[in-house]
Amino acid sequence: EPEVTQTPSHQVTQMGQEVILRCVPISNHLYFYWYRQILGQKVEFLVSFYNNEISEKSEIFDDQFSVERPDGSNFTLKIRSTKLEDSAMYFCASSKHANTEAFFGQGTRLTVV
Amino acid sequence: EDQVTQSPEALRLQEGESSSLNCSYTVSGLRGLFWYRQDPGKGPEFLFTLYSAGEEKEKERLKATLTKKESFLHITAPKPEDSATYLCAVQGQGAQKLVFGQGTRLTINP
Repeated sequence: EPEVTQTPSHQVTQMGQEVILRCVPISNHLYFYWYRQILGQKVEFLVSFYNNEISEKSEIFDDQFSVERPDGSNFTLKIRSTKLEDSAMYFCASSKHANTEAFFGQGTRLTVV
Repeated sequence: EDQVTQSPEALRLQEGESSSLNCSYTVSGLRGLFWYRQDPGKGPEFLFTLYSAGEEKEKERLKATLTKKESFLHITAPKPEDSATYLCAVQGQGAQKLVFGQGTRLTINP
């Protein structure tokens, strides 16, 4: 069964460092997303990506964040200068259409120290 | 602003004891309502999509229903392996983002 895969599963970084989280969405899906979940809190939307551009983003997704689809299979989230409050589980998701179910990866746990 | 509230926050049942989880929502035109299951330390696992009031979907021991203001996830004769956090999310008209509730943590005791 096709699935969304994310790497790494756990990343520890020092405050101020840049991190790149990687995702391989399901191959025939057209919409790609990043969400995050701070420990004990709700899953929060960060950004959606369609047709090689950002199609929607939240207030959380400020200039410190960027997304890229560098080739036909990978989808990345870059945090330029990490802060302690960026510590969270980051989920990548993909969907075939804008209004169909999104399938989530297993997440990358980011710990900023 | 779209909002989702789930109740109860936590629910403990005995194996075989049926119950329902509630998801109340406010959204500016519902595009879809989604139910997910999340195990600790894992990503949300898709269960159901509901698009219009009156719609029902069923899978094994789970049944999801939708009205104009809320959705219910009914669990019939649950087993310990049904223990998880159940998440409800809504998508508004013209939006791609999902707005999630805080989830209901369900524990089924053998």
